[in-house]
Amino acid sequence: GQQLNQSPQSMFIQEGEDVSMNCTSSSIFNTWLWYKQDPGEGPVLLIALYKAGELTSNGRLTAQFGITRKDSFLNISASIPSDVGIYFCAGQQYLSGNTPLVFGKGTRLSVIA
Amino acid sequence: DGGITQSPKYLFRKEGQNVTLSCEQNLNHDAMYWYRQDPGQGLRLIYYSQIVNDFQKGDIAEGYSVSREKKESFPLTVTSAQKNPTAFYLCASSINSQGEAFFGQGTRLTVV
Repeated sequence: GQQLNQSPQSMFIQEGEDVSMNCTSSSIFNTWLWYKQDPGEGPVLLIALYKAGELTSNGRLTAQFGITRKDSFLNISASIPSDVGIYFCAGQQYLSGNTPLVFGKGTRLSVIA
Repeated sequence: DGGITQSPKYLFRKEGQNVTLSCEQNLNHDAMYWYRQDPGQGLRLIYYSQIVNDFQKGDIAEGYSVSREKKESFPLTVTSAQKNPTAFYLCASSINSQGEAFFGQGTRLTVV
């Protein structure tokens, strides 16, 4: 199936630092989503992007849908301990109908107080 | 409260036994999905259903089966043909086949 390349694989940062992670694909996507997963739980939707170039914020989180429609990034500003978790990007294509979401392998974020 | 409920949270089975994981939603969503998650891996699609009485295979359907007899329910059976069934299983739903999917809490299946 389609693959999304998510980087970095893991990050260790100091509390208060900003974080940036991204997701790329060789194919065009018409929807990009960002999720956060806490240990042993299901992913929770953070931000949804539907238009190329779109920049959307949710509190300290900001995500952008790349102009080429092949990439997206997520920024977290002023990180706090509860930001710890795994962040997944997900994308959806429209082929002969909407396809199910494809997920990246995740970025594991650790915050050092 | 509206949401997606997976049960049980933890499940243990002996090798060679079939096991069924439950997924129920009261969000009135048309589409439902099953994903498998292994350590260090992303979510891989097992099966999905865009409408009642219809479902399609995902990327890793071998050894699994599903049914969609009711809009709110999408049970997953892990059969004895699945070679490596121990994993974290996630069910999700979306209002239609486009966009945002919402996840249940997951079921951790351990086969011994």
